[in-house]
Amino acid sequence: QKEVEQDPGPLSVPEGAIVSLNCTYSNSAFQYFMWYRQYSRKGPELLMYTYSSGNKEDGRFTAQVDKSSKYISLFIRDSQPSDSATYLCAMKRYKLIFGAGTRLAVHP
Amino acid sequence: EAGVVQSPRYKIIEKKQPVAFWCNPISGHNTLYWYRQNLGQGPELLIRYENEEAVDDSQLPKDRFSAERLKGVDSTLKIQPAELGDSAVYLCASSLVGGLDQETQYFGPGTRLLVL
Repeated sequence: QKEVEQDPGPLSVPEGAIVSLNCTYSNSAFQYFMWYRQYSRKGPELLMYTYSSGNKEDGRFTAQVDKSSKYISLFIRDSQPSDSATYLCAMKRYKLIFGAGTRLAVHP
Repeated sequence: EAGVVQSPRYKIIEKKQPVAFWCNPISGHNTLYWYRQNLGQGPELLIRYENEEAVDDSQLPKDRFSAERLKGVDSTLKIQPAELGDSAVYLCASSLVGGLDQETQYFGPGTRLLVL
């Protein structure tokens, strides 16, 4: 069993939709929870990170962490075609452990 | 501010040949990481440097992979000899551990390696 599980998708939604991306994990020692966005043929770019359970909002993006369920989510409101990318969850105690990434396509 | 620079961007070699990747981190960043990203997977850490010291190389296949970070700035990752299974994207990242933004790793665009 992988330490971090993420549905690879692909996920296809119309412009303006609310997108929900999720990961589960098995290691309760993880302390930091992050979401990276990776465009094709680019390196990952950090979107958000959080240290504790609860919600964190940044513009159209909301990250949610539920440590009791070992479950994290990223919500994208009013999705745009420019949001089309692969979204990677990552978790850290001493080093980053990434999920496999979910491919998202937002079509006009 | 320039980001993490990697070269080459693409490399095609035959198996058993050597290959080297170069990384120039963001100026002032003391920590440098090399990751390997296989197709359809997330990046996996190969080695982490704090300044010139390799503090985590537990996932580096030491029989064929080597890395160095001279003067605590640029870094080179080498594979010799390359195998078919080494085909992947090799990503370099850097961060400023001890700074306010220390949990943020900044990634370069990667070197896409194809071993034939």
